[in-house]
Amino acid sequence: DAGITQSPRHKVTETGTPVTLRCHQTENHRYMYWYRQDPGHGLRLIHYSYGVKDTDKGEVSDGYSVSRSKTEDFLLTLESATSSQTSVYFCAITAGLVRNTDTQYFGPGTRLTVL
Amino acid sequence: SQELEQSPQSLIVQEGKNLTINCTSSKTLYGLYWYKQKYGEGLIFLMMLQKGGEEKSHEKITAKLDEKKQQSSLHITASQPSHAGIYLCGAGSMTTDSWGKFQFGAGTQVVVTP
Repeated sequence: DAGITQSPRHKVTETGTPVTLRCHQTENHRYMYWYRQDPGHGLRLIHYSYGVKDTDKGEVSDGYSVSRSKTEDFLLTLESATSSQTSVYFCAITAGLVRNTDTQYFGPGTRLTVL
Repeated sequence: SQELEQSPQSLIVQEGKNLTINCTSSKTLYGLYWYKQKYGEGLIFLMMLQKGGEEKSHEKITAKLDEKKQQSSLHITASQPSHAGIYLCGAGSMTTDSWGKFQFGAGTQVVVTP
């Protein structure tokens, strides 16, 4: 357990409405990630952060924005939700400073449905 | 970008039988991760392999990384109902323009029957 929580855990919203998902961690990990998981596509990286106010795009960043004003919180915002953004969203962290030898730990996920 | 291909996509195994899942990369792997996911839940880290020829075991699950570091296998011995779920392999990028980005295979769904 890497102390990662996500909120809300489930959300149903309508097309065109803004949605913000929150990822909260309690152990001051530097790197945080947002993924979406869809059948047939697996896990795909949306955005990631390498520090407070330092973020970068992943492979499916269109339609999403992120913010990280505090180490412990990484927010994912859908400015105007579309049905194609119906998915399960996972937050993840890596603990250390060594690049790709650090294990990623995942939150429990948020199931988002856009009607 | 580095692509990870997993095979098989799904498999059904009788309880007590062995099973193997493969993960193949188009590029050299510098850190290969195995995760397990139960339906509707988050990913649970199983193990990480880094060195060519490395092998790790945890209970009845063994993972190996080949010498060329482009293929990994996950082997479960004497499968149990608790082994059912989706297994995913993942790896990080080592290129300077994509540092920090991880990619995952599409996953292998394992069903264990009585």
